[in-house]
Amino acid sequence: AQSVTQLGSHVSVSEGALVLLRCNYSSSVPPYLFWYVQYPNQGLQLLLKYTSAATLVKGINGFEAEFKKSETSFHLTKPSAHMSDAAEYFCAVSEGGTSYDKVIFGPGTSLSVIP
Amino acid sequence: EAQVTQNPRYLITVTGKKLTVTCSQNMNHEYMSWYRQDPGLGLRQIYYSMNVEVTDKGDVPEGYKVSRKEKRNFPLILESPSPNQTSLYFCASKTGAGGYTFGSGTRLTVV
Repeated sequence: AQSVTQLGSHVSVSEGALVLLRCNYSSSVPPYLFWYVQYPNQGLQLLLKYTSAATLVKGINGFEAEFKKSETSFHLTKPSAHMSDAAEYFCAVSEGGTSYDKVIFGPGTSLSVIP
Repeated sequence: EAQVTQNPRYLITVTGKKLTVTCSQNMNHEYMSWYRQDPGLGLRQIYYSMNVEVTDKGDVPEGYKVSRKEKRNFPLILESPSPNQTSLYFCASKTGAGGYTFGSGTRLTVV
């Protein structure tokens, strides 16, 4: 069965510092992986996705994530945090690329950016 | 603009009074889903639909109903709301490996 864990329910970084949000998954087949961001009072927005092409995936707002099969990880990074990055971030996994495959979400990591 | 539209954004109701939260998407997506988001519990799937007239239970379906009479619409119905259904609800749609497009959410309070 699929599952997603996100280490750290809350992460704080200084403005300009590296952002690293961790995600580990379990899946019985090569997965499709996603990161979503949720700003206050808004719905979730897709940041980036891994669908078995390049292992380093670039997304919106300067974020990127690297798929590491050996570590079953898909950590999200950004070289320099901005105040506007403060939000909740969700990692998600799907065991297939069709419309009908169930998506499992991680519990989320709240990112705070300190001026 | 490609989007999922939910209404209302905020709703306060009383226990037992039937309500419907509407959801509409303009992307011709086959798959639509309803989630509830609660502190500490993350996102939990309530119901989903693979296409018109095809719906199925998610992880927490008790107390909810859905219908999919048209491809674009996927309303969530609470026949007799109870306080434990106070939550933030999201409708979402997807196709292929493209990831979900989410609505802006409906914050429901049942008193």
